[in-house]
Amino acid sequence: EVQLVESGGGLVQPGGSLRLSCAASGFTFSSYAMSWVRQAPGKGLEWVSAISGSGGSTYYADSVKGRFTISRDNSKNTLYLQMNSLRAEDTAVYYCAKVTYGDYVNDAFDIWGQGTMVTVSS
Amino acid sequence: DIQMTQSPSSLSASVGDRVTITCRASQGISNYLAWYQQKPGKVPKLLIYAASTLQSGVPSRFSGSGSGTDFTLTISSLQPEDVATYYCQKYNSAPPTFGPGTKVDIK
Repeated sequence: EVQLVESGGGLVQPGGSLRLSCAASGFTFSSYAMSWVRQAPGKGLEWVSAISGSGGSTYYADSVKGRFTISRDNSKNTLYLQMNSLRAEDTAVYYCAKVTYGDYVNDAFDIWGQGTMVTVSS
Repeated sequence: DIQMTQSPSSLSASVGDRVTITCRASQGISNYLAWYQQKPGKVPKLLIYAASTLQSGVPSRFSGSGSGTDFTLTISSLQPEDVATYYCQKYNSAPPTFGPGTKVDIK
């Protein structure tokens, strides 16, 4: 069964840091680009960042550029999101998502994790 | 960046009704358009990709159409389990922007 399981969310103060992880199973992880998508409470979906299968290409939303870093460890089948200089507006459920076909960063997302909540508050 | 809009923002319909949701891109995106369903408290689910291709396992009452800038998601006969928010997403290029969503409930 194809599965994505996020972890690492929690409560952090403004200006703080957090690292999210997404453990993948049931597919050849290194063959697929991956993304992070977030959803603030009661709001819509916002794409955050994407990474190619090899990890050699990364992309970011303007709202997180320079503060967040996406990476992956294909030997551990794990995707990461390092979040620094966190702001109240980063409060959201963070989902990792797998693209539908291979190593195409620009693609629909066919598998989503259950999400991990990040709350930025003092 | 290309902006995505959806209409209506919400709708209420009766069981068995035909429901249509519209998504518009601010620039042409060919058929690089996906639709997702998110039920309350649940994870988004891919319904349609490439504007009109039904994802495996999705009921055939869902269909998508359109190309360029204008797209539609149609539910041919609304069922109680279709209560959800529906999002379109363009993915021709980064960023893969989502529309604001359309909330569907039962009248």
